[in-house]
Amino acid sequence: DAGVIQSPRHEVTEMGQEVTLRCKPISGHNSLFWYRQTMMRGLELLIYFNNNVPIDDSGMPEDRFSAKMPNASFSTLKIQPSEPRDSAVYFCASSFLRTSGALSEQYFGPGTRLTVT
Amino acid sequence: ELKVEQNPLFLSMQEGKNYTIYCNYSTTSDRLYWYRQDPGKSLESLFVLLSNGAVKQEGRLMASLDTKARLSTLHITAAVHDLSATYFCAVGSNSGYALNFGKGTSLLVTP
Repeated sequence: DAGVIQSPRHEVTEMGQEVTLRCKPISGHNSLFWYRQTMMRGLELLIYFNNNVPIDDSGMPEDRFSAKMPNASFSTLKIQPSEPRDSAVYFCASSFLRTSGALSEQYFGPGTRLTVT
Repeated sequence: ELKVEQNPLFLSMQEGKNYTIYCNYSTTSDRLYWYRQDPGKSLESLFVLLSNGAVKQEGRLMASLDTKARLSTLHITAAVHDLSATYFCAVGSNSGYALNFGKGTSLLVTP
């Protein structure tokens, strides 16, 4: 398997612009996570999907952030409008939630390094 | 809220030495993970610990879990430069899906 795929790997944009980050989870996984990593706050969970449905978006910073998962193999995280404080590395991770409720380990994608100037 | 504390946050050690990284967490959990992150790279899963007393070893790294003490350790034996990286512990929350990450331990192994 190719693992979790993210694009773009790097994104530089100006304040106010819309940014869309993309993620393809590991085939067969039914759970998808978006994280943000900064030096100040470490790794933060932004949103969690299970079977393409958002389960917990309490970590989404504000209304400028939105995430979708239209199907089992694709998810997007959009920031509109972007601000300099959104600069961070955004990771997508996937795992498998069994019917027993047990969740397998999370596999992380390579991340998207976002710089907003 | 589940809190995860790692210590030390920074560790510089000489090659050949042994050391232990500690991960304490605040509430009951039976899932603990150790990840490694190289600079500018993603997180790589090292160990999955799912029960009290679990011990796993891979090369020079050994991880253990004591759920009663809410403590996991990552022990490094005879460190080598290739082990230089940031190590994160992550604890599964009672909700079943969320992982709460520690701040990470930045390890530098010097000759």
